[in-house]
Amino acid sequence: DTGVSQNPRHKITKRGQNVTFRCDPISEHNRLYWYRQTLGQGPEFLTYFQNEAQLEKSRLLSDRFSAERPKGSFSTLEIQRTEQGDSAMYLCASSLGMNTEAFFGQGTRLTVV
Amino acid sequence: LAKTTQPISMDSYEGQEVNITCSHNNIATNDYITWYQQFPSQGPRFIIQGYKTKVTNEVASLFIPADRKSSTLSLPRVSLSDTAVYYCLVGRPVNYGGSQGNLIFGKGTKLSVKP
Repeated sequence: DTGVSQNPRHKITKRGQNVTFRCDPISEHNRLYWYRQTLGQGPEFLTYFQNEAQLEKSRLLSDRFSAERPKGSFSTLEIQRTEQGDSAMYLCASSLGMNTEAFFGQGTRLTVV
Repeated sequence: LAKTTQPISMDSYEGQEVNITCSHNNIATNDYITWYQQFPSQGPRFIIQGYKTKVTNEVASLFIPADRKSSTLSLPRVSLSDTAVYYCLVGRPVNYGGSQGNLIFGKGTKLSVKP
């Protein structure tokens, strides 16, 4: 197993465009998390899934953000009408159950120009 | 949710032992203390977790006094590759999800190891 995979690693987009990121968790991990991290700050929780169900969403996740995890495997995070404030590293993590270690991917760095 | 306070930065030299202390005065009875390491352009990596007294693994040791209001991450004989940001988190055991004991990442401690 190669760990949590995120694509793309980098994305540059113009303000107002839509972007979609993909996360492939470790096989058989039923929990999947999305975090956002800006320069000099720690990761901020956005949302998490248990299998295909989205169980929690942070207030940080505005209505321009949507996450899906069809079939409980990979997940996508879409940002519509991007704004410069959306520029950040978007991290995905997965874990096997609630009380087990979560493994993070290398992230997708989004730059909105 | 218990808030944590840790130094913004620390400097060390190769071969030295590094101790990073984290304060968490409002830690709850069911909370665990977890430390993560993050290198630039990578996601955080779990280092160690404990509830009380001392925990040791192949990477680090975690010292927790009886009142649990603080904890100290100890890295023995650091090398240049230990240069990273170290986060102290308090919450339910290794639970990253939502309101049920979600772990809050602060700004962390930026450790710089010099030759």
